[in-house]
Amino acid sequence: EVQLVESGGGLVQPGRSLRLSCAASGFTFDDYAMHWVRQAPGKGLEWVSGISWNGGNIGYADSVKGRFTISRDNAKNSLYLQMFSLTAEDTAFYFCAKGRGDFWKYYFDYWGQGTLVTVSS
Amino acid sequence: EIVLTQSPGTLSLSPGERTTLSCRASQSVSSSYVAWYQHKPGQAPRLLIYDASNRATGIPDRFSGSGSGTDFTLTISRLEPEDFAVYYCQQYGSSPLTFGGGTKVEIK
Repeated sequence: EVQLVESGGGLVQPGRSLRLSCAASGFTFDDYAMHWVRQAPGKGLEWVSGISWNGGNIGYADSVKGRFTISRDNAKNSLYLQMFSLTAEDTAFYFCAKGRGDFWKYYFDYWGQGTLVTVSS
Repeated sequence: EIVLTQSPGTLSLSPGERTTLSCRASQSVSSSYVAWYQHKPGQAPRLLIYDASNRATGIPDRFSGSGSGTDFTLTISRLEPEDFAVYYCQQYGSSPLTFGGGTKVEIK
């Protein structure tokens, strides 16, 4: 059974940093691209970032480019999102998602339940 | 960026009814690269449909997808109690990946 479990969310002050983690199991982690998708309170889904199976290709939404860094550790079956210079607009549930498809033409066949990041003073 | 507009925003329906959800793209989606997801509060989103019309593993056949170009639809042939949720479409034909704003299907 595929499982994706996010952690690391919480309350953080504006301008500070936070690192999210996603622990994956139930599939061959290093065969697949992985992504972060977020949902602000009362809003829809927004793709945040994605990383190819070996980390060789990485992409970011314009809203986070230059502030967030995605990475993965295939030996630990883990995905990460390092977030810097957080603002209130980054407040959201952050979901880890397993990608299917080809280079940057991905849909998401499994998702985690999400971790809540709240940016507030 | 391709903008996806879902309509209606909310549907109030009864179990057993048939419904069709719409997803309109601001420009043509290449190769009909559209997916549909079901999302319930506090749960992980669930993939229903990919490539516009292919059901994901384990998805009941009451869910079906269709469309091409700029117009896509998700049809639920007969609503079951567990189908009341928010549904999102997503395009993956061009970067960045984008989602629609969602359609909430609620119990009437």
